[in-house]
Parts: sequence; C-alpha cells; structure tokens
Amino acid sequence: KAGVTQTPRYLIKTRGQQVTLSCSPISGHRSVSWYQQTPGQGLQFLFEYFSETQRNKGNFPGRFSGRQFSNSRSEMNVSTLELGDSALYLCASSLAGTGGETQYFGPGTRLLVL
Amino acid sequence: AQSVTQPDIHITVSEGASLELRCNYSYGATPYLFWYVQSPGQGLQLLLKYFSGDTLVQGIKGFEAEFKRSQSSFNLRKPSVHWSDAAEYFCAVVGSGNTGKLIFGQGTTLQVKP
Repeated sequence: KAGVTQTPRYLIKTRGQQVTLSCSPISGHRSVSWYQQTPGQGLQFLFEYFSETQRNKGNFPGRFSGRQFSNSRSEMNVSTLELGDSALYLCASSLAGTGGETQYFGPGTRLLVL
Repeated sequence: AQSVTQPDIHITVSEGASLELRCNYSYGATPYLFWYVQSPGQGLQLLLKYFSGDTLVQGIKGFEAEFKRSQSSFNLRKPSVHWSDAAEYFCAVVGSGNTGKLIFGQGTTLQVKP
C-alpha cells in the first residue's frame, strides 16, 4: 500500500506571496492532520480534517487554512507569507483520527520564505 | 493542558551500548502515547505506542518503552544501539478532543559513536 505523499517536496517563495501544499493520504484513510516543524518551535499541530470537515485546529493565525476533498486528499494554504513561515510542513493520515490510532506521516514539504 | 517534555536535547552513545530516552507527559486521563523517529530529510516513523494494557510496549527495530503512570513517564529503551539508530526521536501524546492532534516533545537527537 502506498504511503502518504506530499507535493511539492521543496518550495521557495518570497514574503507576501501565498502557497498551497498538497497531501494524499494512505488509501482508505479519512483523517488528515497537518503539522509545522521548525527548529525553534518543534512540531506543532495546525489542523485536522475528516470527511471534508475541519474537526480540530491549532493555535495558528488565519493565514493558515486548509481543506479536504471527497477523496480525502488535503491541501493547506498559507497566505501573505512571512519569513517565520519557513518550515517543514508534515501531513499525516489515519483511518478516522480518533483515540490511539497511528498517524502515518509523509516526507514533508520544506518551505523557504525569502 | 496536555504537554510532553523530553529533558535531553542531545544524547551521544557508543555503538553497542544501551540507550534510554526520557519522556514525561502531562495529561489528566489515561494517555495515548507514541514514540516516533525522524531521520534527516524524512518524515516521522512510528516506533511504538501505548494506549492500554501491558505497560511495557515492544516496537520496531528492537525498541521498547515502559509506561509509568506514577511518574508520568514513557521512556524509550534499546539494549544495544546500532549506528543506523542515529536520528531524532519524538515522544507524543494525543491532544484534547482526541481527533487527529498529536502533541510532541521537543525531540532528542541521538548521536552514535563508532
């Protein structure tokens, strides 16, 4: 079974631009979670989607948004990029996102904001 | 609020030596706990998880972890470290709402000396 895939793997943008990252979950998984990883703040939860609905959200500004499609694929968007948005963005999928279910992570998208 | 603390930012051990990585959590109820490993440039891979039952959990690659409720700890151990174990290790707990949110510790970087 194919793992979680994320595209693109690397991205360079300039301040003020916007960016869209894509995540394809493992087949049959309906929950997709997004995380931001930086050297200073570590791994922080952005949001989680299940059946095209955002169920859970972390403490990030409204510039960070996401959506999920009917095939469970998910996208996250960051508008008006800031230098501090430079990070590794990871998505993870699980069957239903509840309790002790394992989240399976993709390789991440590394975003550099100049 | 839930939190995870990994007291050791960086650990160096000799190949063949034993390893223990510490993890302390803060959570009101019985937690769902995870250990993930991240190699450079890659996503996170699950080593093991605990959600109930036997407090000693076996994982992949020869790792094990012991859940100690009285100490709020979930330490990761390996009896004999291999050079390929050099990586960053993250302890995580399922966040509030139980939906797709993991709260991670800051991570411990393991260096293995030949």
